[in-house]
Amino acid sequence: EVQLVESGGALVQPGGSLRLSCGASGFSLSTYWMSWLRQAPGKRLEWVATINQDGTEKYYVDSVEGRFAISRDNAKNSLYLQMNSLRAEDSAVYYCARDRSGVEEYWGQGTLVTVSS
Amino acid sequence: DIQMTQSPSTLSASVGDRVTITCRASESVSNALAWYQQKPGKVPKLLIYKATTLETGVPSRFSGSGSGSEFTLTISSLQPDDFATYSCQQHIRYPRTFGQGTKVEI
Repeated sequence: EVQLVESGGALVQPGGSLRLSCGASGFSLSTYWMSWLRQAPGKRLEWVATINQDGTEKYYVDSVEGRFAISRDNAKNSLYLQMNSLRAEDSAVYYCARDRSGVEEYWGQGTLVTVSS
Repeated sequence: DIQMTQSPSTLSASVGDRVTITCRASESVSNALAWYQQKPGKVPKLLIYKATTLETGVPSRFSGSGSGSEFTLTISSLQPDDFATYSCQQHIRYPRTFGQGTKVEI
């Protein structure tokens, strides 16, 4: 059974940093593109970043470009999102998801990030 | 960026009704369009991809149509489990973008 489990969400002050992790089980992470998405309360889903199987291709939404970094460790079956210079508008539930031809076929349960002083 | 707009934003319906949700893209996305279902406090679930292909395990009362810039999601006979928010997503180009969601309520 495919499982994705996010961790690392927390309350952080504006300008702070956070690293989210996503542990994958039930499949070989190295075979799939992976993504991070987020959803603020009452807002639409927002795609954040995507990484290819070996980490050589990475794509970001403009609003996080230069502040967030997606990475992966296939040996540890883990996906990461390093978030720096956090802003209030980054507050959301963050989901990791397994990609299939550009769509998110499996989602984790999400981890809550709150940016507030 | 490609803007995705859904209509209506909220839809009131009854069990057994036929329900149609529209998603329009600001430019053509060919058939690179997916639909997701999300219930309150739950994780989004992929329903349809490539505009018309039903994801494995999704009931056949769900169907998708369209190509280019206009798409529809249809539920042929609404069931109690279908009351949720439905979102479209284009994935022809980065950034992938979602519609604002359509809440189907009783």
